[in-house]
Amino acid sequence: DIQMTQSPSSLSASLGDRVTITCRASQSIRSYLNWYQQKPGKAPKLLIYVASNLQSGVPSRFSGGGSGTDFTLTISSLQPEDFATYYCQQSYGTPYTFGQGTKLEIK
Amino acid sequence: EVQLVESGGGLVQPGGSLRLSCAASGFTFSTYSMNWVRQAPGKGLEWVSYISSSSSTIHYADSLQGRFTISRDNAKNSLYLQMNSLRAADTAVYYCAREGDAFDLWGPGTMVTVSS
Repeated sequence: DIQMTQSPSSLSASLGDRVTITCRASQSIRSYLNWYQQKPGKAPKLLIYVASNLQSGVPSRFSGGGSGTDFTLTISSLQPEDFATYYCQQSYGTPYTFGQGTKLEIK
Repeated sequence: EVQLVESGGGLVQPGGSLRLSCAASGFTFSTYSMNWVRQAPGKGLEWVSYISSSSSTIHYADSLQGRFTISRDNAKNSLYLQMNSLRAADTAVYYCAREGDAFDLWGPGTMVTVSS
């Protein structure tokens, strides 16, 4: 199985900050990497698919990059609604493994 | 409205069974592959199972050890998860998710609690 490792596990930041979350795959997954945002008590929401494609309706302050084994999710200027937990997921093949999550908190 | 809605969760004793359902509406269900994903309380997301649009291809997480069965009825726009021999470790919110551009549509989830 492909293991997905996110860093950091938690992150404190202020409104307006630029933050980057990283995700590493245990083997090459080409660009089959997706990012989700989850708020407490809610279902996950797709933000970025195939590494760098912004899902419809997602603000442009979110961006994704990378290929192979190393990927990033960047939020260019944090807004109040961005404080949530973020997960990466590989869709290269089943089992579709998720990272352990990164909890983004207000500093 | 494009949506997925899960049902069938609840409290079940260890060793028991439950059948989860996921009702799809607002899109052509029969053209999409579907997945189940679960989340134990306070934990991360765990992929459970995949079924292709025609049910010709099915995959499961190894951790299930053959206890769960995914199925779908395209005529009823519904996805199912039959869960047998349930254990405390299966306690989680279970989500159904549409596989378009990644998992692009999720239901609100249904809670399954396995406890005596």
